[in-house]
Amino acid sequence: GAGVSQSPRYKVAKRGQDVALRCDPISGHVSLFWYQQALGQGPEFLTYFQNEAQLDKSGLPSDRFFAERPEGSVSTLKIQRTQQEDSAVYLCASSSMRDPLQETQYFGPGTRLLVL
Amino acid sequence: GQNIDQPTEMTATEGAIVQINCTYQTSGFNGLFWYQQHAGEAPTFLSYNVLDGLEEKGRFSSFLSRSKGYSYLLLKELQMKDSASYLCAVSDTDKLIFGTGTRLQVFP
Repeated sequence: GAGVSQSPRYKVAKRGQDVALRCDPISGHVSLFWYQQALGQGPEFLTYFQNEAQLDKSGLPSDRFFAERPEGSVSTLKIQRTQQEDSAVYLCASSSMRDPLQETQYFGPGTRLLVL
Repeated sequence: GQNIDQPTEMTATEGAIVQINCTYQTSGFNGLFWYQQHAGEAPTFLSYNVLDGLEEKGRFSSFLSRSKGYSYLLLKELQMKDSASYLCAVSDTDKLIFGTGTRLQVFP
């Protein structure tokens, strides 16, 4: 596709509900990243995939957060038993080289999650 | 620890020049990025610096001093559409570490 796409764009969940957020990276991009952006703040790193391998999940805030990329393309971020503090915009980004250190990350529009 | 500082808000007049500063202290450094983010939209890439000096791209320029842990983004000939948040981010191993962003408002 032309860019990174994410769905849904907006999600309202009741506290305790499970949610799944989807990311379609730019075709052929090896690296995929998830970030969480609270209102008025910069994005904060959650996790990173290279192809289907999850190489870093140090930013996931709790064991309620789980991410997967089983075929090395589409990724899903799942949040179990959502809490109000999970309300944020969840951004997905992808980059094109195996070594992402110096490669630009291209961001999707994000999923705005509101937990009531 | 990881720390990236940039001003929270700035204002400027259409046609003017504005400089947004960023200072950083991170455990790793593999380059510094600037992104633009309009409200409710995705961050979009503006510039990347890994060596000291100035990188110019049209109306936007970015400067880096690694020894000082300092960067700035320079926007010339400001337009109303430049009203947005500007995010400074350091590439640290496998992730980007972002500042809180500088919200720039351009007035006519």
